[in-house]
Amino acid sequence: SQQGEEDPQALSIQEGENATMNCSYKTSINNLQWYRQNSGRGLVHLILIRSNEREKHSGRLRVTLDTSKKSSSLLITASRAADTASYFCATSPTGANSKLTFGKGITLSVRP
Amino acid sequence: GAGVSQSPSNKVTEKGKDVELRCDPISGHTALYWYRQSLGQGLEFLIYFQGNSAPDKSGLPSDRFSAERTGGSVSTLTIQRTQQEDSAVYLCASSLIANTEAFFGQGTRLTVV
Repeated sequence: SQQGEEDPQALSIQEGENATMNCSYKTSINNLQWYRQNSGRGLVHLILIRSNEREKHSGRLRVTLDTSKKSSSLLITASRAADTASYFCATSPTGANSKLTFGKGITLSVRP
Repeated sequence: GAGVSQSPSNKVTEKGKDVELRCDPISGHTALYWYRQSLGQGLEFLIYFQGNSAPDKSGLPSDRFSAERTGGSVSTLTIQRTQQEDSAVYLCASSLIANTEAFFGQGTRLTVV
């Protein structure tokens, strides 16, 4: 079963605009991660936020985590056409050796 | 190697045949995952190996699916008596330890005809 659920399912924006993607999950977590996928092949890790963190930045990416609401958001600022891809959140449930489970993903299209 | 390597990249097989998919994780990574992704869908968890612990097989869809990880390194996913619904991209990932960043291979696209 899917632990994380992203929304919206699809997002289309103009180059230069910001893109906000959301993820909700069900159980307590060690951390939450965001990944990007181009062309339906391997995923690339973007950022990891631990359960005791509330916000994290990496370049044009900003991730927030609200453990009370069991939700996270990924903000991509000043989007570029090259940001067009599918984005997935993944959660690592609380526990020493818990598996990483993914949501269904968000398709982001950035129009030039 | 520098990254996670999967082979073959593409596999076309006839319905009813057995297939083996291979994953070479990053050297020293203790955690290894297999996922399946159908066209336009999310990642479906299949199986997870962590060090010497018993693997988490809770995602395997049927007893036709099995996987092993030899010597804590290379992993093989075997699908017996393939069916058309097995057609998907099979993705392998590894991480240094549990609960950390996962590195993905490019996947094996399996087509059952």
